[in-house]
Amino acid sequence: KAGVTQTPRYLIKTRGQQVTLSCSPISGHRSVSWYQQTPGQGLQFLFEYFSETQRNKGNFPGRFSGRQFSNSRSEMNVSTLELGDSALYLCASFRGQGGYEQYFGPGTRLTVT
Amino acid sequence: SQQGEEDPQALSIQEGENATMNCSYKTSINNLQWYRQNSGRGLVHLILIRSNEREKHSGRLRVTLDTSKKSSSLLITASRAADTASYFCATALMDSSYKLIFGSGTRLLVRP
Repeated sequence: KAGVTQTPRYLIKTRGQQVTLSCSPISGHRSVSWYQQTPGQGLQFLFEYFSETQRNKGNFPGRFSGRQFSNSRSEMNVSTLELGDSALYLCASFRGQGGYEQYFGPGTRLTVT
Repeated sequence: SQQGEEDPQALSIQEGENATMNCSYKTSINNLQWYRQNSGRGLVHLILIRSNEREKHSGRLRVTLDTSKKSSSLLITASRAADTASYFCATALMDSSYKLIFGSGTRLLVRP
């Protein structure tokens, strides 16, 4: 089975811009989670989607949003980028119904200048 | 605040030695998972232990869970240079078991 893919792998944006990151889950997985990793805050949960519905949400401002499509692919969007949004954004896919092990993609490294 | 705290923050051992990492958490959990991350890349799932389990093995990995002390440990036996990575525990809470809360991680260096 192919693993979780994330695009793009690297991104440089300017403060105030917006960005969209994409995640394709493992075939058959219906859930996708997003995490932000920074040296200062570590790994923090952003949100989780199951069958196109947001099931869980972390403590991030409204500038962070996401969605999931009918084929389980997911996107997250960050509007009005701030310097502090520079991070590794990780997507994970899992079965979503009783399957708790999450399988992570390689991440998207976002740098905001 | 993070649910899990890990110690040590960093560990340096010789190849062939065992490595033990500990994780403590604050609230009741559905399960606890351990992940490995190599140098800023994606996380690799290692092992999951449910709240009603006390010990689990997978290859050279042994995980214990003590729910009364709200703590877990990960033992890697006969370590190899390829085990050099950061190791994270992640807890899934009872009421939101698909949301993982990660600890701060242990950086393991295995010297050849």
